[in-house]
Amino acid sequence: RKEVEQDPGPFNVPEGATVAFNCTYSNSASQSFFWYRQDCRKEPKLLMSVYSSGNEDGRFTAQLNRASQYISLLIRDSKLSDSATYLCVVNLPGANNLFFGTGTRLTVIP
Amino acid sequence: GAVVSQHPSRVICKSGTSVKIECRSLDFQATTMFWYRQFPKQSLMLMATSNEGSKATYEQGVEKDKFLINHASLTLSTLTVTSAHPEDSSFYICSARGTSGGSDTQYFGPGTRLTVL
Repeated sequence: RKEVEQDPGPFNVPEGATVAFNCTYSNSASQSFFWYRQDCRKEPKLLMSVYSSGNEDGRFTAQLNRASQYISLLIRDSKLSDSATYLCVVNLPGANNLFFGTGTRLTVIP
Repeated sequence: GAVVSQHPSRVICKSGTSVKIECRSLDFQATTMFWYRQFPKQSLMLMATSNEGSKATYEQGVEKDKFLINHASLTLSTLTVTSAHPEDSSFYICSARGTSGGSDTQYFGPGTRLTVL
């Protein structure tokens, strides 16, 4: 079983729409969670960390459900510039590196 | 935020040649750097973890003799793809672990696109 699993999509949504991505992780002892954004042929960039209490950054809201072992990202009022691949990332206890999901591809359509 | 640079950004080489990629943390010291590889439409795959002053730790299936990693200082790690072949063509990305805003985060370099003819 993969450490991190995501629906690869693609998600094609119109401008202004609200879209949500989910991600599940297999290790219940996982400690840190992140959403990264990766544009085509570019490196991943940190979008936001995910905290147990949930956190919001502008149009982006991230939530963590430890009981069900899933992480979500909600994007409101989608912009064309939101088109990218969104990577769910988990840090395992005792591990020095991050584990990446395969990413969910989002295309926002005019 | 922290900055990580990679050089070169793009390499095209003939089969059988060796290619060296540099990864630098520009404004912080990174005791640990990571090397990833990403094939088209696939996720990042960790190749190895590079620790300053010690041998790199390779992931299963990654040949240590083919992908030579050197982490000579707290700001520089290098990956050398020896005797490159077309199947080594990929996007190679390094990252460095650092602290920003009080939290421990991994910062990625811009990547190196390797094409082996």
